[in-house]
Amino acid sequence: AQKVTQAQTEISVVEKEDVTLDCVYETRDTTYYLFWYKQPPSGELVFLIRRNSFDEQNEISGRYSWNFQKSTSSFNFTITASQVVDSAVYFCALSEAGGTASKLTFGTGTRLQVTL
Amino acid sequence: EAGVTQSPTHLIKTRGQQVTLRCSPISGHTSVYWYQQALGLGLQFLLWYDEGEERNRGNFPPRFSGRQFPNYSSELNVNALELEDSALYLCASSLEGQGNQPQHFGEGTRLSIL
Repeated sequence: AQKVTQAQTEISVVEKEDVTLDCVYETRDTTYYLFWYKQPPSGELVFLIRRNSFDEQNEISGRYSWNFQKSTSSFNFTITASQVVDSAVYFCALSEAGGTASKLTFGTGTRLQVTL
Repeated sequence: EAGVTQSPTHLIKTRGQQVTLRCSPISGHTSVYWYQQALGLGLQFLLWYDEGEERNRGNFPPRFSGRQFPNYSSELNVNALELEDSALYLCASSLEGQGNQPQHFGEGTRLSIL
């Protein structure tokens, strides 16, 4: 069975601080996909990134970066120089390859509060 | 390009009633997913429809059902509503039903049961 753990329930930082959101996953599949989503107060989940299990390259997109390490089953998300607009709940999610396994298994989310 | 649209945005029902939620996927997307986000329970997978067929179902009772229409829009039906059904119901769509395709979400329908 798949499982995603986000141990940090809530994080508060001051604007311009860097912050890392942790994600640890469990799966028996050798091929799987990891995702990060952002949920602002409006409720809509906004897709941020997808990572394949066979691609361990880290990725940077502006102030966002992701560190994928299969050895520790982790897919951590770092926001550099955080801004108030980054305040939201962030979800890490896992899906397995194809077939009937196309559902997303979500972690419980990390609420990020960025203040001035 | 229009995103995933859901209707209604808010709904108030009483116990025992029935409700229908609607979802229109992004143009070109054939797969539609439904998730429940209840307080304290996180995001739970409900149903997945692809090409008009139910492909997968989460751990929910049969009173949760749905369908997908030829234009790929979808409905979620919940019968015999219970207080615990109060939640945000999110619909998502993807290009095809493969695990590598990102799912894009609507803003959800917030259902309150009195």
